[in-house]
Amino acid sequence: QKEVEQNSGPLSVPEGAIASLNCTYSDRGSQSFFWYRQYSGKSPELIMFIYSNGDKEDGRFTAQLNKASQYVSLLIRDSQPSDSATYLCAVISTGGFKTIFGAGTRLFVKA
Amino acid sequence: KAGVTQTPRYLIKTRGQQVTLSCSPISGHRSVSWYQQTPGQGLQFLFEYFSETQRNKGNFPGRFSGRQFSNSRSEMNVSTLELGDSALYLCASSSDRSNSPLHFGNGTRLTVT
Repeated sequence: QKEVEQNSGPLSVPEGAIASLNCTYSDRGSQSFFWYRQYSGKSPELIMFIYSNGDKEDGRFTAQLNKASQYVSLLIRDSQPSDSATYLCAVISTGGFKTIFGAGTRLFVKA
Repeated sequence: KAGVTQTPRYLIKTRGQQVTLSCSPISGHRSVSWYQQTPGQGLQFLFEYFSETQRNKGNFPGRFSGRQFSNSRSEMNVSTLELGDSALYLCASSSDRSNSPLHFGNGTRLTVT
């Protein structure tokens, strides 16, 4: 079992729709969760972090965390073509000092 | 505030050679992590340094090594290069808090021929 699992996609949504990205993790002791966006040929950039169960909203982005189910998700509302990228879910392992990444989900937003 | 700086941006080496990559973290960040990114394996953790000490290490052979200097700058070295070492090597820095996110540099693209 991989430590952080994501559907590799590609996920294709029309412009203006909601894109839903999902992630599960295996380390039950993990406390810190992140979503990064990586455009082709670029390095990952942080878009959201979440530490507590529930929802966290930042503009068009909402991160959701359910520690009991070991599940993290990212919703992108009003998707734009500029949101087309690979989205990486990341988890800090128990004990810290190591951030583990999922393989990423490729998102395409069609104009 | 300047971001994470990695040098060089591109490297072409021959099998059997060794290579050293450099990373300067964001000012004030003392934690530096290194990752290898390939299309097939995604982002794989190499190691993490804090105050010149390696605190965690990934599952890579001993040919991969690193170090951190007193000014938090870090280097990673790969000896006896293999074709499979061709990848994007990413350095990331973070603040001292244990739940801090990573801030990535632009990476070094290594090609081994």
